[in-house]
Amino acid sequence: TQLLEQSPQFLSIQEGENLTVYCNSSSVFSSLQWYRQEPGEGPVLLVTVVTGGEVKKLKRLTFQFGDARKDSSLHITAAQPGDTGLYLCAGVIGNDMRFGAGTRLTVKP
Amino acid sequence: NAGVTQTPKFQVLKTGQSMTLQCAQDMNHNSMYWYRQDPGMGLRLIYYSASEGTTDKGEVPNGYNVSRLNKREFSLRLESAAPSQTSVYFCASSHTPGQGGYTFGSGTRLTVV
Repeated sequence: TQLLEQSPQFLSIQEGENLTVYCNSSSVFSSLQWYRQEPGEGPVLLVTVVTGGEVKKLKRLTFQFGDARKDSSLHITAAQPGDTGLYLCAGVIGNDMRFGAGTRLTVKP
Repeated sequence: NAGVTQTPKFQVLKTGQSMTLQCAQDMNHNSMYWYRQDPGMGLRLIYYSASEGTTDKGEVPNGYNVSRLNKREFSLRLESAAPSQTSVYFCASSHTPGQGGYTFGSGTRLTVV
């Protein structure tokens, strides 16, 4: 059983559509990070959220940390083919960072 | 700006063989980590080094050993490879343990036959 459950596992959409992916847990995290990973490469940090209820925007990407600091969501507006990749969430408990299994997003032109 | 460099990129081993995966970072980070990534399992922590001179077990340490050679380098050794160790291995580093953004290498794809 994963400490962090990500949904959906796979998502295939057309360019221009909006989407939301989720990261859920029963554990409380001191912070939560989102990474994007492309084939053959390591994950690259997108954002870190620390405060419960925090919302951060990165161009067309909006990240939200749940009030109880147990869950998070990533919303992409007007998706583009360049958004294609594996999106991973990672939660920090003490000195330990645990990763979810990821959402594999494909954006078709 | 190399960041985190891992070698080799690909490796095929026979069951029972040994090998060492190398990792070096040039960002003056204190903490370094080894993860494995398997389909549907996400990234799982094998070992980490919070600072030079210290190492600790992560979630899946069995069958592996590590050495923090100096502040820059952190190696992962498989003493007797098993098919269950077929995976993609990632090294990462950060300023402090579990905090801040992790910088990952590009991975080593290991197949044990």
